[in-house]
Amino acid sequence: SQQGEEDPQALSIQEGENATMNCSYKTSINNLQWYRQNSGRGLVHLILIRSNEREKHSGRLRVTLDTSKKSSSLLITASRAADTASYFCATETGGGYNKLIFGAGTRLAVHP
Amino acid sequence: KAGVTQTPRYLIKTRGQQVTLSCSPISGHRSVSWYQQTPGQGLQFLFEYFSETQRNKGNFPGRFSGRQFSNSRSEMNVSTLELGDSALYLCASSLAGGTGEKLFFGSGTQLSVL
Repeated sequence: SQQGEEDPQALSIQEGENATMNCSYKTSINNLQWYRQNSGRGLVHLILIRSNEREKHSGRLRVTLDTSKKSSSLLITASRAADTASYFCATETGGGYNKLIFGAGTRLAVHP
Repeated sequence: KAGVTQTPRYLIKTRGQQVTLSCSPISGHRSVSWYQQTPGQGLQFLFEYFSETQRNKGNFPGRFSGRQFSNSRSEMNVSTLELGDSALYLCASSLAGGTGEKLFFGSGTQLSVL
């Protein structure tokens, strides 16, 4: 079963605009990760935020985590056509061993 | 370094058959995990192996099994295939499967059950 819900399910923007995706989850977590998936391919790790962190940056990515609301957001600034992909949040709830619980994902389309 | 390699890329099987999928992790990675991705259920964790031992398992029936070899390569097997087993099967590797480790995914095996 999925831990998280992501919204929006789909997002369509123009190049240069910012894209914000949200993720909510149900149980306490050790960390939350964001992955990108290009159509029908494998996932690529983008960024990880630990439960004791509130914000993290990596290049054009900014992730926030609010453990009191059990939610996270991913902001992609100055979007490019190459950012077109599906984005998934994944939570790790304990024990490691790579058991991540993924949200349903947000499909992002960036138009030139 | 070569990435995670999964073979075959596509498979077509019929109900009742069995199938074996293969995964070669990144060199030096000893943890291999498997995920199933379907439009309806999304990405779901199947199991994780480290040093030839299964350490964690998701909520899948016993028809789904796996193993890991001494060189960290892994295989998963699905017996008595059902239509609902049609999915993209993704393998991921990491150094040791510890908390907070980044997963590196292969491109997946697209299984179609007819």
